[in-house]
Amino acid sequence: SYVLSQPPSVSVAPGETARITCGGNSIGSKTVHWYQQKPGRAPMVVIYYNSDRPSGIPERFSGSNSGNAATLSITRVEAGDEADYYCQVWDNVSDQRVFGGGTKLTVL
Amino acid sequence: EVQLVESGGGLAQPGGSLRLSCAASGFTFSSYAMSWVRQAPGKGLEWVSALSGSGSRTYYTDSVKGRFTISRDNSKNTLFLQINRLRAEDTARYYCAKAQLGGGAFDMWGQGTVVTVSS
Repeated sequence: SYVLSQPPSVSVAPGETARITCGGNSIGSKTVHWYQQKPGRAPMVVIYYNSDRPSGIPERFSGSNSGNAATLSITRVEAGDEADYYCQVWDNVSDQRVFGGGTKLTVL
Repeated sequence: EVQLVESGGGLAQPGGSLRLSCAASGFTFSSYAMSWVRQAPGKGLEWVSALSGSGSRTYYTDSVKGRFTISRDNSKNTLFLQINRLRAEDTARYYCAKAQLGGGAFDMWGQGTVVTVSS
């Protein structure tokens, strides 16, 4: 089955840019979605279809996808962005949805 | 208000069964594919199963095939997950999630229901 790889943790200072990667074989040919999950809360989508933002998600959140890696970028990071972030794709070979292992974003 | 509310979780013995439900409101339920996603304590998200809006197509992750059955009652706006032959590794919070049209992202999630498998 298709595997998505994320770094377990990313740390950034407030105001800096956080970049969270999601690696997968030819992931650039797939559509990637990104979710944010804060402790004790259900996940919520922050980026869908590689780079689209749902209403209510700040423009500071952006996504890109090419080759073997997708990236979630968060500019001007704030304390409130501290959360776990997950990438997700639909693997059309197995007809299964797949999540990455998640990345814990720490704001220093 | 658009809402998903799960129920049916609890403590069950290994080898036992549970039926989870997810009541949907605030949108045209039958138009959307739905999924179950679980999260073991302290672990990441794991997609479990999906069902098309009509209920005609089902999808499962490999570890639950043959044990889990997803279904829906569009007349009652409710999604179900029948879990049989429970294992300790099924212990998790189970979320139901609505997919965007065309099978896109999960744009709505419930708060989840907790399943604990222990003797």
